[in-house]
Amino acid sequence: KNEVEQSPQNLTAQEGEFITINCSYSVGISALHWLQQHPGGGIVSLFMLSSGKKKHGRLIATINIQEKHSSLHITASHPRDSAVYICAVRIGGGADGLTFGKGTHLIIQP
Amino acid sequence: EAGVAQSPRYKIIEKRQSVAFWCNPISGHATLYWYQQILGQGPKLLIQFQNNGVVDDSQLPKDRFSAERLKGVDSTLKIQPAKLEDSAVYLCASSLDPSGPRWYFGPGTRLLVL
Repeated sequence: KNEVEQSPQNLTAQEGEFITINCSYSVGISALHWLQQHPGGGIVSLFMLSSGKKKHGRLIATINIQEKHSSLHITASHPRDSAVYICAVRIGGGADGLTFGKGTHLIIQP
Repeated sequence: EAGVAQSPRYKIIEKRQSVAFWCNPISGHATLYWYQQILGQGPKLLIQFQNNGVVDDSQLPKDRFSAERLKGVDSTLKIQPAKLEDSAVYLCASSLDPSGPRWYFGPGTRLLVL
């Protein structure tokens, strides 16, 4: 069983829709990252969370430490948001590398 | 600022051959990571360096993989000999420190082993 589970694995939506991607993890963590991976391999760090909620533009990330769950929301989605969104957690005290989920492949159709 | 640089971008080799990848992290970043991403999966940590010392190499197949980070800056990852299952994208990432909010990833090296 993966320590980090994402859902859905694939998501196709129409431009303008509100998007939610979920991440659940089974171990204690010190931080959770949301990453965006475009075709060709480039990965961009979107957020790092250890509690609460963060917002950047049309992106919102929340985390519930007690429930071991995080969500990434995209408001007013646009075709340029099409990418793989990856949840990654840092297990333990903070000196370790990230453990990644398998990613959610998002396609926003015009 | 310049990003994380990796080379080559693509490599095709036959099984049992050797291959080496190079990574130049963002200037000043003490922490450097090598990840292996097999198609359809999330990246898997291979090795983590803090300056020129190894912090975690528990998932590195040491019978065939090796990595070094001389002088705490550039790093090389080597596979010798390569197997078919090594076909993947090899990603290098760096951060100022492991607990920092921003991780920066290189474009990756796409390896195909025939």
